Amino acid sequence: EVQLVDSGGGLVQPGGSLRLSCTASGFTFSIYAMTWVRQAPGKGLEWVSDISGSGSTKFYADSVRGRFTISRDNSKNTVYLQMNSLRVEDTALYYCAKDRAVGGKTGFHNWGQGTLVTVSS
Amino acid sequence: QSVLTQPPSASGTPGQRVTISCSGRTSNIGSNYVYWYQQLPGTAPKLLIYSNDQRPSGVPDRFSGSKSGTSASLAISGLRSEDEADYYCASWDDRLSGWVFGGGTKLTVL
Repeated sequence: EVQLVDSGGGLVQPGGSLRLSCTASGFTFSIYAMTWVRQAPGKGLEWVSDISGSGSTKFYADSVRGRFTISRDNSKNTVYLQMNSLRVEDTALYYCAKDRAVGGKTGFHNWGQGTLVTVSS
Repeated sequence: QSVLTQPPSASGTPGQRVTISCSGRTSNIGSNYVYWYQQLPGTAPKLLIYSNDQRPSGVPDRFSGSKSGTSASLAISGLRSEDEADYYCASWDDRLSGWVFGGGTKLTVL
């Protein structure tokens, strides 16, 4: 059974940093692209970042490019989201998600439970 | 403002058929597949439709998707109370090099 466990969220001041983790199990982690999607309180879904199975290809939303960095450690079955220069508008529930099929851009088939990031002074 | 446009709300009575639209551009829906997600209150989203009109295993055939040009639709037939949720469309955008979502449609079963 595919499982994704999101962690690392918390309360941070504007300008601060946080690193989110998503630990996966139940599938061959290294061959699937992974994604972070966020949802601000009471708002819709917003794609944040994608990383290929090998980690060689990464994409970012304009709203986070230059501040957030996605990475993965295939030996630990974990994908990370390093978030720097955090802003109040980054406050959201952050979900990691696994692609439906190998190759990328196949839809987000499995989701973590989400980890809450609150940026506030 | 979302790149893909969905109506903010939709409603229907049990047994009825409802459709939710999703409008985009050549760079997203016009060139790539459309995906639909269902988000029940307080839960993570669930993939409902992939590649425009395909259902993952376990999704009832009451749910169907279609795409034409730069627009797509999700249809739900035989509406049930448990279908009350938020529904989001998504597509890859070649111009933005990223995924784009619709703003979401809140479906109410009357």
